Parts: sequence; structure tokens; C-alpha cells
Amino acid sequence: EAQVTQNPRYLITVTGKKLTVTCSQNMNHEYMSWYRQDPGLGLRQIYYSMNVEVTDKGDVPEGYKVSRKEKRNFPLILESPSPNQTSLYFCASSLSGMNTEAFFGQGTRLTVV
Amino acid sequence: GDSVTQMEGPVTLSEEAFLTINCTYTATGYPSLFWYVQYPGEGLQLLLKATKADDKGSNKGFEATYRKETTSFHLEKGSVQVSDSAVYFCALTGGATNKLIFGTGTLLAVQP
Repeated sequence: EAQVTQNPRYLITVTGKKLTVTCSQNMNHEYMSWYRQDPGLGLRQIYYSMNVEVTDKGDVPEGYKVSRKEKRNFPLILESPSPNQTSLYFCASSLSGMNTEAFFGQGTRLTVV
Repeated sequence: GDSVTQMEGPVTLSEEAFLTINCTYTATGYPSLFWYVQYPGEGLQLLLKATKADDKGSNKGFEATYRKETTSFHLEKGSVQVSDSAVYFCALTGGATNKLIFGTGTLLAVQP
């Protein structure tokens, strides 16, 4: 089954404690990206990757890091989380750019206290 | 920059009512337009898309027509069901990165 898998689904952490949210896709897609969803703001892109070892900033990259060492994986790293990073996070992938259908993971609900 | 504006929600309808969710966009060039749906507790799924002016996207009884003259892509369905209750996002691809730019989402609640 074609899918994008994120883990964990829910996470509560404390300010400053490094965390990683994993994302994996099984569709051999080149393009992957991370979004955060906040009430009244819709989804905003954090980082994206057009292929292995190629990543770039989206609209709200501050406080986040990513890596793309393999085509299927695109982890999101919060080196020192802060309460303003409390949000719902989605990983997405598409065959080549977002002009083709994007497939989304189920989301990670992150709370930073 | 490119942007999407969609109507505020929530929209509450009775089953079998007609649905319209308005979406307008601002973009340079010729974007592709999308509607994504998010069911409770799930990620977004593509509902329909249109890639050029006057194209009509359709799926599961939903339709939307790419209107370049009014820069709009309104979502319609003739008869909604309780199972259509979800958040609907209008989106476009914009800029050199081909990233998706989303509207803020419209919550639809359909009552039996």
C-alpha cells in the first residue's frame, strides 16, 4: 500500500530537549516536504527536498533541521524545541514537485511545555 | 507572493444540501489548483485538481472549475452526506519550488 508514515503520532516534550520526527515513504518519490498546521494559518511549509542530499528552506524554517540521506526518509529535527513549536506536523511526498499529487502522513501532534 | 483565500468556516449543512466553498487565488504565471480534504485524525488527501484555465476537476461528487478571469476555484457538491464532514483546503502550486500554498481551510459539518 502506498503510504507516508510518520512517527510518533503524539509527542509531549519539554523546552530544549532535542527530538526527531521520522517520515518515510514507499513510493520512490523524489520530492518530500514538512508542513506545520496551526489554527487560522492553514499549512505552512517548513523545509522541502527535491532529491537525495538536496534540501531547502520553506516559509517557516527557523528552529528546524532536516536531512535527506536516503530517498525514502526525511526526518524533521528540533534541536532545541520551544513552546511556539507546539503544532500539528505533516510530512508529504510527491513524484516530482508538488504539481503532482501530494501524499500526506497522518500527522504528528507535538506539544512543547 | 502567491496566495489562496478561502471562505471562513465552519459551514454547517443538513444532509442532501448543496455545498459551495469559495476559493480565490493570487498567482503569477499559471498555477495548478487543488482541493485537499482532511478527515478527522487523518492527513490530507487530494480530492481533485485542475491544471489549466476552464478545466473542471471532479471526484466523489465534488467539482471545481478553474476560472482564470475571476481567479477562483470554488468547490461544489450537489448533495452532501454526513461522511463528507471534514476540513477542506484549497491550494495552488506556486513559485520556482513547485510548493503547495494552502488556504486556511474550511470546516464542513454535515448533520443528519
